[in-house]
Amino acid sequence: SAVISQKPSRDICQRGTSLTIQCQVDSQVTMMFWYRQQPGQSLTLIATANQGSEATYESGFVIDKFPISRPNLTFSTLTVSNMSPEDSSIYLCSARQGGDEQYFGPGTRLTVT
Amino acid sequence: AQSVTQLGSHVSVSEGALVLLRCNYSSSVPPYLFWYVQYPNQGLQLLLKYTTGATLVKGINGFEAEFKKSETSFHLTKPSAHMSDAAEYFCAVSDRRSASKIIFGSGTRLSIRP
Repeated sequence: SAVISQKPSRDICQRGTSLTIQCQVDSQVTMMFWYRQQPGQSLTLIATANQGSEATYESGFVIDKFPISRPNLTFSTLTVSNMSPEDSSIYLCSARQGGDEQYFGPGTRLTVT
Repeated sequence: AQSVTQLGSHVSVSEGALVLLRCNYSSSVPPYLFWYVQYPNQGLQLLLKYTTGATLVKGINGFEAEFKKSETSFHLTKPSAHMSDAAEYFCAVSDRRSASKIIFGSGTRLSIRP
């Protein structure tokens, strides 16, 4: 299994600013993913973070708003840019080691005022 | 395209009673199926998964689920509910061919009455 940590665990930000969320995995993983969980809702996939190439974004999510980095096989960042109150959510990182199972981090709870 | 439908956004059972959380999927090919649990203010934890083989899958904390291809269902059950089972439960599906991303259902909140 893989253990995933995220920083920060929570933050309160002003509209118009940006926040970068870090995701660290304790072992090398083939694929990493970023999800958003809006209050009281399910998880929606934002993008797949590929090591050494551009991230693959799902419909409704764009790189300018959610730029992602994946510099190596254990680390990824997600930036939420030019934030608005609608971006208030929990952002979760997950990783897949090559099998069929995904492991999830504890999430970053973001509040935009 | 794959999708997952969870029937009932909120289920309440008495402590010691049977837990049944319903999940139906839509997929053009046999999928991988998962149940995850999310406790308050925590991340997701895998309860169990079906990939191949035996259709009755046993997971952690006494939960199990049965893959029924004819009904396109993967319902989660536990014979006797415990107070600590109160949480949000998510059914999820992944494409067997690519297995690259997981699609989640809308979730079911399980409450346990004393």
